[in-house]
Amino acid sequence: EAQVTQNPRYLITVTGKKLTVTCSQNMNHEYMSWYRQDPGLGLRQIYYSMNVEVTDKGDVPEGYKVSRKEKRNFPLILESPSPNQTSLYFCASSFSGTAYEQYFGPGTRLTVT
Amino acid sequence: RKEVEQDPGPFNVPEGATVAFNCTYSNSASQSFFWYRQDCRKEPKLLMSVYSSGNEDGRFTAQLNRASQYISLLIRDSKLSDSATYLCVVYNNNDMRFGAGTRLTVKP
Repeated sequence: EAQVTQNPRYLITVTGKKLTVTCSQNMNHEYMSWYRQDPGLGLRQIYYSMNVEVTDKGDVPEGYKVSRKEKRNFPLILESPSPNQTSLYFCASSFSGTAYEQYFGPGTRLTVT
Repeated sequence: RKEVEQDPGPFNVPEGATVAFNCTYSNSASQSFFWYRQDCRKEPKLLMSVYSSGNEDGRFTAQLNRASQYISLLIRDSKLSDSATYLCVVYNNNDMRFGAGTRLTVKP
């Protein structure tokens, strides 16, 4: 089954404790991205990757890191999480860029206390 | 002004009703437009693309008005299963912008 998977689905953590949210897709998509969704603000892009070893900042990259060592994986790293990073996070992939249908993972609900 | 604006709703309609949502965008150079559907606490999924000439998919009709910079989604004969949040998405030069969504509840 074609899909995007994310782990963990739910995470409660404390300020400053490094965490990684994994994202994997099995559709051989070149483009992958991370979004956060907050009430009233819509989805905002954090980082994106056009292909392996190619990553770029989105609209809200501060406090996040990513890497793309393999085509299928695109982990999101929070080196020192803060309460303002409490949000619902979605990983997405597409064939090539944002002009194509975006396939989203199931989401990760993160709470930073 | 937000780049993509939607009425957050909620729109509460009875089954069988026709309901329409609008979405305005600020970048006149925007190239492509989409409607995504998001069920509560789930991931967004593509509902339909919006073509310049307008397009229809079953009970759903999407239209684009470039002059006034808005797109619309019309749902006819609403079903209970149409209850969801509908996200307007605007694309320009590899930059995709999402609206905050319009919430629809269809009641028996």
